[in-house]
Amino acid sequence: SAVISQKPSRDICQRGTSLTIQCQVDSQVTMMFWYRQQPGQSLTLIATANQGSEATYESGFVIDKFPISRPNLTFSTLTVSNMSPEDSSIYLCSVKVGTGGQETQYFGPGTRLLVL
Amino acid sequence: AQSVTQLGSHVSVSEGALVLLRCNYSSSVPPYLFWYVQYPNQGLQLLLKYTTGATLVKGINGFEAEFKKSETSFHLTKPSAHMSDAAEYFCAVSQGGSYIPTFGRGTSLIVHP
Repeated sequence: SAVISQKPSRDICQRGTSLTIQCQVDSQVTMMFWYRQQPGQSLTLIATANQGSEATYESGFVIDKFPISRPNLTFSTLTVSNMSPEDSSIYLCSVKVGTGGQETQYFGPGTRLLVL
Repeated sequence: AQSVTQLGSHVSVSEGALVLLRCNYSSSVPPYLFWYVQYPNQGLQLLLKYTTGATLVKGINGFEAEFKKSETSFHLTKPSAHMSDAAEYFCAVSQGGSYIPTFGRGTSLIVHP
């Protein structure tokens, strides 16, 4: 299993500013993921962050807006840059643990962001 | 390609009543199917998953789901709802354990006393 913590748990920010969200895992994992969960919507994958390589972004998400760091196997950050009210959402960190088709995905508690 | 449809954004039941949350999927390969629960102000927690083998899968908190290939469904059930079951439930599908799942929009379960 994996226990994931995120900081901050919530924040209220002004438009035009940036926020960096931290994700800490209690074990070493190869694959880390960042999701966005907008009100009333499903989870949308922003990017996959593997240690030692550049993050892979999904369609509609770009590195300039959501830069990601992955300095080691237990930690990652996601920055939401130049925020607008449309960025108000829950941002979730996630990891996959296991191999051989028996992988299990674990999620952090989320960071609730409100942009005014 | 894969997709998930959860019928009903909200489901309301009385405490002690049957819980049925519907999930239909589409997948070009044999799917892996998941149900997650999200309690207020918390992250997602895996309830149960189907990979291969027995089509009736039992999960935590008395929940179970049945994979029906002919109906492309993976509905979640619980015989008797408890107040603590009130939460958001997400169905997800992937093409295998190492693949990234696609999530449905979620169903909010409301339990009345």
